[in-house]
Amino acid sequence: EDQVTQSPEALRLQEGESSSLNCSYTVSGLRGLFWYRQDPGKGPEFLFTLYSAGEEKEKERLKATLTKKESFLHITAPKPEDSATYLCALPMSGYQKVTFGTGTKLQVIP
Amino acid sequence: GAVVSQHPSWVICKSGTSVKIECRSLDFQATTMFWYRQFPKQSLMLMATSNEGSKATYEQGVEKDKFLINHASLTLSTLTVTSAHPEDSSFYICSAEQVSGANVLTFGAGSRLTVL
Repeated sequence: EDQVTQSPEALRLQEGESSSLNCSYTVSGLRGLFWYRQDPGKGPEFLFTLYSAGEEKEKERLKATLTKKESFLHITAPKPEDSATYLCALPMSGYQKVTFGTGTKLQVIP
Repeated sequence: GAVVSQHPSWVICKSGTSVKIECRSLDFQATTMFWYRQFPKQSLMLMATSNEGSKATYEQGVEKDKFLINHASLTLSTLTVTSAHPEDSSFYICSAEQVSGANVLTFGAGSRLTVL
């Protein structure tokens, strides 16, 4: 059964303190891995899709990387506005249905 | 970019009543939409897949008679929570796939349901 596990559950950083969020997965055949950001009371906002081990994608202070067993979301010099819950997800049948990890709640303190 | 709109964003109802939540793709057509439920401090759990012009497909453990889904057009899916009870209080989120080759789901802002 396809599974995705995220760690840590919560992360508190000082502004400017870089760190990484982890997403470990088991899947019979990787069809991609998604990263989303979710603000409180809002729906998830798409960040990245990674398709194969070794792939990296960047957006502002975020960089997502992928290996055969896990993905990392690196946050460089975070700002308070980066505070949110970050979710990784695996596509199920085709690309439409996805299963989500439990998320990492990031808090960046000024 | 693709936008998915949900309405209402929050609703409070009495136990035993029914509540309808709408999900619209504003600038693209979506033959398939998805309904998720998210309880506090938990991740999103897929409830059902809504297919335009046909019956919805429900995930295991989701009561299809309680959560009625209608996808009558290529831009609108509705979720009706029938005979709502306090345990149905949750954050309901819909999503639709952009058929642009990007294979990306666009999510609505969610609908907060509170059943008294």
